[in-house]
Amino acid sequence: GESVGLHLPTLSVQEGDNSIINCAYSNSASDYFIWYKQESGKGPQFIIDIRSNMDKRQGQRVTVLLNKTVKHLSLQIAATQPGDSAVYFCAENSGGYQKVTFGTGTKLQVIP
Amino acid sequence: GAVVSQHPSWVICKSGTSVKIECRSLDFQATTMFWYRQFPKQSLMLMATSNEGSKATYEQGVEKDKFLINHASLTLSTLTVTSAHPEDSSFYICSAQRGLGTEAFFGQGTRLTVV
Repeated sequence: GESVGLHLPTLSVQEGDNSIINCAYSNSASDYFIWYKQESGKGPQFIIDIRSNMDKRQGQRVTVLLNKTVKHLSLQIAATQPGDSAVYFCAENSGGYQKVTFGTGTKLQVIP
Repeated sequence: GAVVSQHPSWVICKSGTSVKIECRSLDFQATTMFWYRQFPKQSLMLMATSNEGSKATYEQGVEKDKFLINHASLTLSTLTVTSAHPEDSSFYICSAQRGLGTEAFFGQGTRLTVV
């Protein structure tokens, strides 16, 4: 079936450095993508989203890049802080549907 | 952003009993809510789509008679785990969206432990 997956299960980054978390998706019909942050024992928290008619979107310290040609999504976190330590999920939502399909997740560890 | 609240945050129950988890959208109406299950160090797996005023739509492999979903109003959906067993122990999370193709807001999750 269609799926959304991640390349790296764990990412360790020095505090202050930039982080890049990658995601591959397989549903070519996907037109809305979301990045979520999940801290231990909590529900996912929305970070940033992007629609398929865009290839880049920036937020505060975060940037999402979308490459529809290779079905690849990435989340860039600038000046990574200890509070950024969490599991990050990419998720996909197809037009006309509301349900969100999650990728496998990447654990980001920030080294002080 | 919108607020989705789950209750309880954690529950311990005996094997064979039933447990009800509530999901409320506090500041918006949600005709559709979603229930996920998450095992340790794994991703969220969609269990079912809860539709206000109609039957829930279950994902393949999810037993509808075991996981009863009721969406009685535009702000409340409940998930009842019936005859719970230790293998049902998991982190259950709900979400709600204002409309099609919009961000989903998640509850804080419910940790269920069946002993």
